[in-house]
Amino acid sequence: NAGVTQTPKFRILKIGQSMTLQCTQDMNHNYMYWYRQDPGMGLKLIYYSVGAGITDKGEVPNGYNVSRSTTEDFPLRLELAAPSQTSVYFCASSFETGTTRQPQHFGDGTRLSIL
Amino acid sequence: AQSVTQLDSHVSVSEGTPVLLRCNYSSSYSPSLFWYVQHPNKGLQLLLKYTSAATLVKGINGFEAEFKKSETSFHLTKPSAHMSDAAEYFCVVSPNSGNTPLVFGKGTRLSVIA
Repeated sequence: NAGVTQTPKFRILKIGQSMTLQCTQDMNHNYMYWYRQDPGMGLKLIYYSVGAGITDKGEVPNGYNVSRSTTEDFPLRLELAAPSQTSVYFCASSFETGTTRQPQHFGDGTRLSIL
Repeated sequence: AQSVTQLDSHVSVSEGTPVLLRCNYSSSYSPSLFWYVQHPNKGLQLLLKYTSAATLVKGINGFEAEFKKSETSFHLTKPSAHMSDAAEYFCVVSPNSGNTPLVFGKGTRLSVIA
């Protein structure tokens, strides 16, 4: 039972480069999320998706893009990497039915450094 | 609007002694509340959740939390700390309506001393 899988686990980028962080889940969850975690700051929501073809901005979307073409996959794209995007990125998923909020399942994270 | 405050950024306890991690929340709606644990270089793992049923919630690994509406608190406790409990703990709040995202506290780092 894989759960939420993120690749790569580590990456170093140069300023101005682009890359895609991959996230896939095998639990048939309808909601998926991308967070960034900076030291002492908790998690900040970047983007989320309530189903295939539907995405929406979170608290800190600038500099990022997402797509959700399938239920399983929710990649996060950095177009022009900046040092401020050095962080740990977490993908999560949950199955929401609209009554009470459900727990989110997290991947192990991608540690990204931009130099 | 929702917010959550974890009152201690770092808590240190001796092995075998009780653990108390404090969390206060603010929510315009009847909230769902969660505690997550994060071990080094890992993602967040759910410890327990409150969703308007019993106010005393039991979770994994001997942890429990009590929802106190009058105090807007959701403190996490454990009777006896183990070395393996050393980790970062996050309190999370969400209203039960709409697509409003979860709001995470800034975390409390728990150290357990042998």
